[in-house]
Parts: sequence; structure tokens; C-alpha cells
Amino acid sequence: QSALTQPASVSGSPGQSITISCTGTSSDISDYNFVSWYVQDPGKAPKLIIYEVSYRPSGVSNRFSGSKSGNTASLTISGLQADDEAHYYCSAYIGDNILFGGGTKLTVL
Amino acid sequence: QITLKESGPTLVKPTQTLTLTCSFSGFSLSTSGVGVGWIRQPPGKAPEWLALIYWDDDKRYSPSLKSRLTIIKDTSKNQVVVTMTNLDPMDTATYYCARRSQISCWDHWGPGTLVTVSS
Repeated sequence: QSALTQPASVSGSPGQSITISCTGTSSDISDYNFVSWYVQDPGKAPKLIIYEVSYRPSGVSNRFSGSKSGNTASLTISGLQADDEAHYYCSAYIGDNILFGGGTKLTVL
Repeated sequence: QITLKESGPTLVKPTQTLTLTCSFSGFSLSTSGVGVGWIRQPPGKAPEWLALIYWDDDKRYSPSLKSRLTIIKDTSKNQVVVTMTNLDPMDTATYYCARRSQISCWDHWGPGTLVTVSS
């Protein structure tokens, strides 16, 4: 069982915005800014889309944004597109451990 | 261009030891702040971090698997090797190596290698 909790699934229509949450079990996320987000297409390796809570790597669309409030980090995808349909994972570096969330399947209706 | 690639056996018997090699290019593991680590992902499940080695040979392990893991680096060959002892069918997964950047995230990943543990 992951120590970072994500909703198992979210869905939205093209053009809409969705938000995926990532909640820690204690004060882990709130005390650290080392939260990152990854997107994974079937059969592929995860790909970094957000680091240090809210920064986008070069080449990642500005439709992806990250934030944090208390012990919950969030990924927002605006202007949903069909090819955003994938699994999304959060990750946090907490003390001597690197945790991943259980993952969220995004369905674009 | 940064690339990483995993290599090793695809089938391992229970109780055996697994050795995987990550060969990388486009960066140096002697650069301050950089690390290379291993992450696995059982079929249909979330990724799980295993081990990480930094440029200064600092090594970190998942607390739940620490007793079974060893990670080493060969900077001259641009390789990182992880060994996991006492394999069990529950260790069946795709094993990825990835670069740990100075900004504490996995910014480049290998394609992964599926390891099946079965007799």
C-alpha cells in the first residue's frame, strides 16, 4: 500500500480541466517541496511532467500545472486532449525514502 | 541526448539473485548532485523505488527492501548495477533505471526490462 494516496480514476471531456490529488499520510508532503509528477502511456516508461511541486521541464505543455496545499499536492491538466488519456503518478522524496502514489487513470470522454 | 538502458535476465527462479545493469550516456555520474536509481513496476501496479546511488557514491535503499539490495556504480563505464537477493514470484515486474537529477526527480528513464520470477 502506497503512502501517497491518489484517486484511482478521474475523467473529463475534451477542453475541460481536471485535477488529480496526491495526499501524504503525515506531514511528509507539507514539509518538503520535492514532489514530482509522471505520466505513463501503456507499455512505456513514466515521463516527468512536473518537478518540485510546480515546475515544468522543458518541452512539457503549459496545460500541465502543479500545486501544493498542506499535505496534498495536485496536478491540474487544462484544455484536456484525447492523448492526455494515461496513468499519472505522483512521487515525493521524504527523508530517506522515495515514494510513489498508487496512480490515477485519466479517461478523456 | 541522455539515454539509459537496462539489461539482465528476463527469467529468474525463486530464491535466486537478480543482477541488472543500467548503461547510460549523455551525462556523467561524477557530476555533483546527479544519481542513478532503480524503480520497479509490477504488472498493473504503481512504480516502487528500490535503490539510488549518487555521484559521490552515497547509496540509498528502500527501507522495505534494503536487506536484499546492493547498488554499485562504474563511472568509467557509465554503468550502475543493482543486485537483489532471494527472488520471489512477487518480485515479477518491469525494472527501470532512471537518472535522479539535482532537482530531486527522475528526469530520464530507460525503457525498462520485464523480469519474471518463476520456477
